[in-house]
Amino acid sequence: AQSVSQHNHHVILSEAASLELGCNYSYGGTVNLFWYVQYPGQHLQLLLKYFSGDPLVKGIKGFEAEFIKSKFSFNLRKPSVQWSDTAEYFCAVESGNTGKLIFGQGTTLQVKP
Amino acid sequence: DGGITQSPKYLFRKEGQNVTLSCEQNLNHDAMYWYRQDPGQGLRLIYYSQIVNDFQKGDIAEGYSVSREKKESFPLTVTSAQKNPTAFYLCASSIGGGNRQFFGPGTRLTVL
Repeated sequence: AQSVSQHNHHVILSEAASLELGCNYSYGGTVNLFWYVQYPGQHLQLLLKYFSGDPLVKGIKGFEAEFIKSKFSFNLRKPSVQWSDTAEYFCAVESGNTGKLIFGQGTTLQVKP
Repeated sequence: DGGITQSPKYLFRKEGQNVTLSCEQNLNHDAMYWYRQDPGQGLRLIYYSQIVNDFQKGDIAEGYSVSREKKESFPLTVTSAQKNPTAFYLCASSIGGGNRQFFGPGTRLTVL
């Protein structure tokens, strides 16, 4: 069965620290990859996505992610986090263009001012 | 996201009762989805619909039912057969497969 694994469940950082959240998936075919974010009290919203092309994708608020096909990974990065980045982050994988998203367990990021 | 409404925000029901959660979108999207969110488990797909009058089971469809009679509406019924219905339910929509999904604000269902 397809699965998505996020290695870090709870991350605590100080402002200006660098962030990397791991995401690995198990599926051998063509995939579309997403990172969604859920800020406290807000809707789940798209942070960035990868469908094809340049494996390094940039999203909103200074986030980026790199697709490494050989490692089945799509890690999220930000060079310098802010207090406002405190949120829950979800990696999701869509096999082909089925519309069926498989989500990881989520990572709660807490940024201390 | 704007354009998707879910009501109510909080819902309480007694064990053994069926309950229907509403999801409406005005984004003119063909596809709609229902997810369940539990702490530490991320989101899991319950049902999805690629087009009006058609829907497919997701990974955890047991104990749930849906209908898609109108493009803008995709109600989810949590039946008494669902063993652990207390959860946060999220509705989403998209243009179709291979596109980003837009999420509603969610309904928190508590079964007493």
